[in-house]
Amino acid sequence: SQQGEEDPQALSIQEGENATMNCSYKTSINNLQWYRQNSGRGLVHLILIRSNEREKHSGRLRVTLDTSKKSSSLLITASRAADTASYFCATDNQAGTALIFGKGTTLSVSS
Amino acid sequence: GAGVSQSPSNKVTEKGKDVELRCDPISGHTALYWYRQRLGQGLEFLIYFQGNSAPDKSGLPSDRFSAERTGESVSTLTIQRTQQEDSAVYLCASSQGLNDETQYFGPGTRLLVL
Repeated sequence: SQQGEEDPQALSIQEGENATMNCSYKTSINNLQWYRQNSGRGLVHLILIRSNEREKHSGRLRVTLDTSKKSSSLLITASRAADTASYFCATDNQAGTALIFGKGTTLSVSS
Repeated sequence: GAGVSQSPSNKVTEKGKDVELRCDPISGHTALYWYRQRLGQGLEFLIYFQGNSAPDKSGLPSDRFSAERTGESVSTLTIQRTQQEDSAVYLCASSQGLNDETQYFGPGTRLLVL
């Protein structure tokens, strides 16, 4: 079963605008990761945030984690057309043997 | 190699035939994972290898699915007697091990069962 659920399912913005995607999960986690997928193929790791962290930055990416609400958000600032992709949050399963992915948010950035 | 590679990139097969999908992980990565992604969906975990052993096969959807790994390197996912619902992108990922949470994904194999 899927652990994370992203919201919204789809997001369309103009270049230069910020994009915010949210992820909710059900059980306790050790960490939460965000991945990007272009054209329905391989995923690229973006950022990992641990359960004892509240916020993390990487370039134009900002991730927050609220373990009390079991939610995370990914903010992409000053978006570019190249950011067009699907974004997935993933949490580790209890055994630590796999990642559990949500259905993803499809982001479209138009120039 | 520089990254995880998978072959073939695309596979079209007829219902009832067997298919083999190959994954070459990043050299030195002890952990290897197989996932399945149906159109418009997230990834479904299939199986996890640590070395050549598979301590977690819980995601394999039926006994038609099997996987093996040899030399702590290449892995093969085999689907026997394929069905149309097996059509999906099959993604392989590797990581340095249980203490390395980041998984590095291959480009996937797109399987279409007619």
